[in-house]
Amino acid sequence: GENVEQHPSTLSVQEGDSAVIKCTYSDSASNYFPWYKQELGKRPQLIIDIRSNVGEKKDQRIAVTLNKTAKHFSLHITETQPEDSAVYFCAASTGNEKLTFGTGTRLTIIP
Amino acid sequence: DVKVTQSSRYLVKRTGEKVFLECVQDMDHENMFWYRQDPGLGLRLIYFSYDVKMKEKGDIPEGYSVSREKKERFSLILESASTNQTSMYLCASWGALRGEQFFGPGTRLTVL
Repeated sequence: GENVEQHPSTLSVQEGDSAVIKCTYSDSASNYFPWYKQELGKRPQLIIDIRSNVGEKKDQRIAVTLNKTAKHFSLHITETQPEDSAVYFCAASTGNEKLTFGTGTRLTIIP
Repeated sequence: DVKVTQSSRYLVKRTGEKVFLECVQDMDHENMFWYRQDPGLGLRLIYFSYDVKMKEKGDIPEGYSVSREKKERFSLILESASTNQTSMYLCASWGALRGEQFFGPGTRLTVL
């Protein structure tokens, strides 16, 4: 089955700096890659996703890039703010709606 | 707005008890999922269902079963709870229209 690895497990950045979280996947048939954000005590929520026919997608300060050849994808957050502090999960799917999640990255924004 | 609710936010049970966790969604979604979330392990899929009375094993089904008698409701059952099933349990539903999984608030289960 699919295996998704996520790095780093923890990340601290100064407010205003950029943060990058990386994931690799094993199943070359995977074609959908969402990112979820989970704030403390809350449910995970989708923040951005990308499909395999696209190399990059951007939504304001958040962007995701996908390298199908290398089987890795990354989340980029620019101009970080305190409200970006959360746990971020990447996931991969072969399109059958069943997601395999990474182990999560705890992002802390230092004021 | 999509709403996924879970029957309890916190639950404390004894070893050997039968435990029912219920999840309800109000968006007529076809697919529903049960995950457990543990520190450092992320979200791991226990079972999922793509239709009423249909179920599929996820990555860690041992010790669990599920029931989906109605489209809006998906139940996770621990036949005989054990201490290693102490965890946060998250339910999710998926609809084709928006193509994303919506999560419930979670149930933190402690087995003593």
